[in-house]
Amino acid sequence: KAGVTQTPRYLIKTRGQQVTLSCSPISGHRSVSWYQQTPGQGLQFLFEYFSETQRNKGNFPGRFSGRQFSNSRSEMNVSTLELGDSALYLCASSYSRGGVGNEQFFGPGTRLTVL
Amino acid sequence: GENVEQHPSTLSVQEGDSAVIKCTYSDSASNYFPWYKQELGKRPQLIIDIRSNVGEKKDQRIAVTLNKTAKHFSLHITETQPEDSAVYFCAAVTYSGAGSYQLTFGKGTKLSVIP
Repeated sequence: KAGVTQTPRYLIKTRGQQVTLSCSPISGHRSVSWYQQTPGQGLQFLFEYFSETQRNKGNFPGRFSGRQFSNSRSEMNVSTLELGDSALYLCASSYSRGGVGNEQFFGPGTRLTVL
Repeated sequence: GENVEQHPSTLSVQEGDSAVIKCTYSDSASNYFPWYKQELGKRPQLIIDIRSNVGEKKDQRIAVTLNKTAKHFSLHITETQPEDSAVYFCAAVTYSGAGSYQLTFGKGTKLSVIP
């Protein structure tokens, strides 16, 4: 079974631009969660999508948004990029709701650099 | 909101010794505690988890203990091996009703096992 894939793997943007990251979950998984990983803040939960609906949201500004398609693929969008948005963005998929004892499988991440 | 403190931030042990990583949480409503291992340059991977109705859980050389009264939980690795070297993250899941939850991570512990 193929693992979680994320595209692109690396991205360089400038302040003020917007960016869209993509995540393809493991086949059959319906939950996709997004995380931001930085050296200073560690891992932080962004949001979770399940059956095309956002079910949970972490403490991030409205510039961070996402969506999920009927095939469970998910996209995350960050508008008006700031230098502090430079991070590794990880998505994780699970068969059922993530964070409730259903194991989440992480993708390799997208390394975003904002100049 | 929930706050998870993780200690120590770095830990070096001799091969064969035990390693203990401790986490405390603030929200008594948290009731699911997963642990993740992230090797250098790789994605996080769930290694063990525990629910609040269980005091201890073991899986071969790793074990997790939970003290709900004191609001702390610990990861124990026995007979450490060089391949245990990684960053370990604890997390706490707090359910807020209607299927919503918050997933909060500790800042991570970098474990180095010296051959």
